[in-house]
Amino acid sequence: DIQLTQSPSFLSASLGDRVTITCRASQGISSYLAWFQQKPGKAPKLLIYAASTLQNGVSSRFSGSGSETEFTLTISSLQPGDVATYYCQQFNSFPHTFGQGTKLEIK
Amino acid sequence: QEQLVESGGGVVQPGKSLRLSCEASGFSFLSYTLQWVRQAPGKGLDWVGLISSDGSNEQYAASVKGRFTISRDNSKSTLYLEMNNLRRDDTAVYYCARGALWGQGTLVTVSS
Repeated sequence: DIQLTQSPSFLSASLGDRVTITCRASQGISSYLAWFQQKPGKAPKLLIYAASTLQNGVSSRFSGSGSETEFTLTISSLQPGDVATYYCQQFNSFPHTFGQGTKLEIK
Repeated sequence: QEQLVESGGGVVQPGKSLRLSCEASGFSFLSYTLQWVRQAPGKGLDWVGLISSDGSNEQYAASVKGRFTISRDNSKSTLYLEMNNLRRDDTAVYYCARGALWGQGTLVTVSS
């Protein structure tokens, strides 16, 4: 099985900061990676798919990059509504594993 | 609009069975692969499995393989998750999902 390791697991940043979350795959997954945002008590929301394609309706402050084993999710300017837990998921091979999550808070 | 609505959750004893449903509306149900994802209380997302658009291909996480079965009725636009021999660590909110479209989740609690 492919393991996804996110770093950091917890992140505290200031409003307006540029924030980067990394997702590392245990083996190459091409660009078969998505990023989700989840707020407490809510279903996950798709932000990015195919590693770098922004989902319709998602703020352009979010961007994704990477391929094979290293991927990043970047928030260009942190806003209060970005407080959430972020997950990566790979679709290269079964099982379609998730990373363990990165909890983002405002400093 | 496009929607997925899960139902069937509840409290069940260890070793018992439960069937979850996910009713779809607003899109061509039979055109899409669908997945189940769960989340234990306070924990991260855990992929359960998926089923192809025509129901011919199913894939499962190792933790549920042989106990859970995913099926679908394209005539009813409904996805199912049959869960047998439930364990306490199956306690979670269960979501059905189609890419960017997710249901609200249904809580399954396995407890005696």
